[in-house]
Amino acid sequence: EAQVTQNPRYLITVTGKKLTVTCSQNMNHEYMSWYRQDPGLGLRQIYYSMNVEVTDKGDVPEGYKVSRKEKRNFPLILESPSPNQTSLYFCASSSYDSANRYFGPGTRLTVT
Amino acid sequence: EDKVVQSPLSLVVHEGDTVTLNCSYEVTNFRSLLWYKQEKKAPTFLFMLTSSGIEKKSGRLSSILDKKELFSILNITATQTGDSAVYLCAVHGSGNTGKLIFGQGTTLQVKP
Repeated sequence: EAQVTQNPRYLITVTGKKLTVTCSQNMNHEYMSWYRQDPGLGLRQIYYSMNVEVTDKGDVPEGYKVSRKEKRNFPLILESPSPNQTSLYFCASSSYDSANRYFGPGTRLTVT
Repeated sequence: EDKVVQSPLSLVVHEGDTVTLNCSYEVTNFRSLLWYKQEKKAPTFLFMLTSSGIEKKSGRLSSILDKKELFSILNITATQTGDSAVYLCAVHGSGNTGKLIFGQGTTLQVKP
């Protein structure tokens, strides 16, 4: 089954404790991206990757890091999480020439 | 600055009503407009529109794009409680970065 998986689905952590949210897709998509969703603000892009070893900032990259060492994986790293990073996070993928994104199930992160 | 604006932000109707959701945009190098439905989980794809005046239809849902006036509408006829969701509009533009710009979303509640 074609899918995007994310882990963990829910996470409560404390300020400053490094964490990684994993994302994996099995559709051989070139394009992967991370979004955060906050009430009233819609989905905002954090980082995206056009292919292996090619990543770039989206609209709200501060406080986040990513890597793309393999085509299928695109982890999101929060080196020192802060409460303003409490949000719902989605990973998404698509083929290079397609606009439609396949979304993962989401990760609800709470930073206290 | 590229932006996508949806209206209304929220809407409450009764089963059987017809609703129209609006999406206006200002985006550099427009390529396509997409509609997604989000029910407390990942957004799921509804439609992609690239040409003006051509209606896309799926069951009780339909959508049309006006590239001259820079907007799209999503119509839902004979609404059902299962239509309750957040409807997201996104525009694909900005050259070859493949970026999707999302609106804030319209929250639709359909009461029995």
